[in-house]
Amino acid sequence: GESVGLHLPTLSVQEGDNSIINCAYSNSASDYFIWYKQESGKGPQFIIDIRSNMDKRQGQRVTVLLNKTVKHLSLQIAATQPGDSAVYFCAEGSGSNQFYFGTGTSLTVIP
Amino acid sequence: DAMVIQNPRYQVTQFGKPVTLSCSQTLNHNVMYWYQQKSSQAPKLLFHYYDKDFNNEADTPDNFQSRRPNTSFCFLDIRSPGLGDAAMYLCATSRGGGAGGYTFGSGTRLTVV
Repeated sequence: GESVGLHLPTLSVQEGDNSIINCAYSNSASDYFIWYKQESGKGPQFIIDIRSNMDKRQGQRVTVLLNKTVKHLSLQIAATQPGDSAVYFCAEGSGSNQFYFGTGTSLTVIP
Repeated sequence: DAMVIQNPRYQVTQFGKPVTLSCSQTLNHNVMYWYQQKSSQAPKLLFHYYDKDFNNEADTPDNFQSRRPNTSFCFLDIRSPGLGDAAMYLCATSRGGGAGGYTFGSGTRLTVV
């Protein structure tokens, strides 16, 4: 498989601040990327996606940035809320139908 | 609502006793995936089906097998569960061909005793 996280990085932010979560992917052939939010005991929940022909995509309170040169993806969450506390994963896919997850980040929002 | 359903949510099995986890989908997606997720780790792809074509990951142990009898259902068979196989098992679907639409089930938490 591709990159698999063994130690989960953590990020703590104050409620109302912006959060930036980073991800490095490994497959240059990947052309589709998704950010997922996963709460304890639940399956991954779709947040936002981006295709490789784009550098930036915005959703509601979230923005994804893609830098293909260095194979880096980031998720920006504006005005972070306590309900945003979860583990966040990036995932990469391609036309080959393989779909891999990157290392997750545990986000804690401090009220 | 169209969705991916995994049963059961929690499964306890004995060491060495075969166990089967189930996944069904109402999305009519071509691809179905099985992932293993251990505590504080990213989901790890075990294998996927594109329609009836099975695609195994190179590092998936032989102890893990899968069946897809029709478009809607996919099963994960663990032939001889070991203590190290205790994990959350996630099923996902997609339209295939890079079309996206990845949708996950809620997972089955497997405990091996």
